[in-house]
Amino acid sequence: GAVVSQHPSWVICKSGTSVKIECRSLDFQATTMFWYRQFPKQSLMLMATSNEGSKATYEQGVEKDKFLINHASLTLSTLTVTSAHPEDSSFYICSASKGAADTQYFGPGTRLTVL
Amino acid sequence: DAKTTQPTSMDCAEGRAANLPCNHSTISGNEYVYWYRQIHSQGPQYIIHGLKNNETNEMASLIITEDRKSSTLILPHATLRDTAVYYCIVRVPYNTDKLIFGTGTRLQVFP
Repeated sequence: GAVVSQHPSWVICKSGTSVKIECRSLDFQATTMFWYRQFPKQSLMLMATSNEGSKATYEQGVEKDKFLINHASLTLSTLTVTSAHPEDSSFYICSASKGAADTQYFGPGTRLTVL
Repeated sequence: DAKTTQPTSMDCAEGRAANLPCNHSTISGNEYVYWYRQIHSQGPQYIIHGLKNNETNEMASLIITEDRKSSTLILPHATLRDTAVYYCIVRVPYNTDKLIFGTGTRLQVFP
């Protein structure tokens, strides 16, 4: 149980384009989903927290207009990187939890490369 | 949430027990200790968590000292597939869902 998937697993795009990454909880309903970013040889950095049906809460320094998060259902959250630039190239990882007190389960990650 | 301190790296022979320490000397009474691991280029995998009692599951055991200022994750029979970065995180459920990842311990299991 507690399986989280991400799609796509990797994506290459041109600078200036937008990229959407999906995160799904496959066998449970996720009240809360999280988006992290990880640069090479660094640890995970939390970008934002989203609760189903409400606006995401972004961490300090994360541009909400650049990283659009939608959590429209209890099993799906999407992260859209708008007008991507090479510095946005990173490993994007989502996680999901059933509720405030529950364990977070992570997706396999999406590697974004912006040319 | 309290900060944690972990060794940067550790080695372990295959088949032997891997004991990964974590210091969380500023932990408060309602903070849980969580362990995750991240195998290269994958998302983190949940291992185990506990409050004050020792815990065991099919993956590992978690030993928390009586004063709760430190803990040890034990992989009883390490395999090559256990090579990963292991993260020890303290968290207050109900207060915040956030997991703040430190630098973790890079465990290398060798044949």
